[in-house]
Amino acid sequence: RKEVEQDPGPFNVPEGATVAFNCTYSNSASQSFFWYRQDCRKEPKLLMSVYSSGNEDGRFTAQLNRASQYISLLIRDSKLSDSATYLCVAPSNYKLTFGKGTLLTVNP
Amino acid sequence: NAGVTQTPKFRILKIGQSMTLQCTQDMNHNYMYWYRQDPGMGLKLIYYSVGAGITDKGEVPNGYNVSRSTTEDFPLRLELAAPSQTSVYFCASITRDSYTGELFFGEGSRLTVL
Repeated sequence: RKEVEQDPGPFNVPEGATVAFNCTYSNSASQSFFWYRQDCRKEPKLLMSVYSSGNEDGRFTAQLNRASQYISLLIRDSKLSDSATYLCVAPSNYKLTFGKGTLLTVNP
Repeated sequence: NAGVTQTPKFRILKIGQSMTLQCTQDMNHNYMYWYRQDPGMGLKLIYYSVGAGITDKGEVPNGYNVSRSTTEDFPLRLELAAPSQTSVYFCASITRDSYTGELFFGEGSRLTVL
């Protein structure tokens, strides 16, 4: 089983829609998890961190389910500017492995 | 603030040539990483280092070598370049306290092997 697996996507949604991505991880010892956003041909940037059950920041909510070993990212009221690739990271002893990423396109 | 600096930004290599991608960070970060990203794909970990003199393999180390003689520098060497190594390479660093999870990335090095 790969260390981190993500919904393959792509996701195409209209403006204002709610969209959710999932990411499963294999290392049950991982304590914290992260969602990064990557714009086309740019370096990834940290979007949210998840340490306990969840974290909310405006329109974005990240949740952690340790029993099932997955994290999710929920985006409410999607904006055109949310179009990007979303990557999850599950650290394993400082070996930071990324999921393949989920491409989101928000359409007008 | 320079952060993580990668050079070169672009390079075209011929099959069989060798080159070194340079990565320097000025944040005194302990941990440094090299990733490659193929078109439409996620980031794959090549090598990482938890401190000067310590390196370890990631998911796709074959065809690459690294060294970490100082805290600041983490060069990635490609020996005998192959077309399969055409990719965008990102260097990143993080402090020992990775609780925030914020990897600091360089802007990437776009390598084409013909």
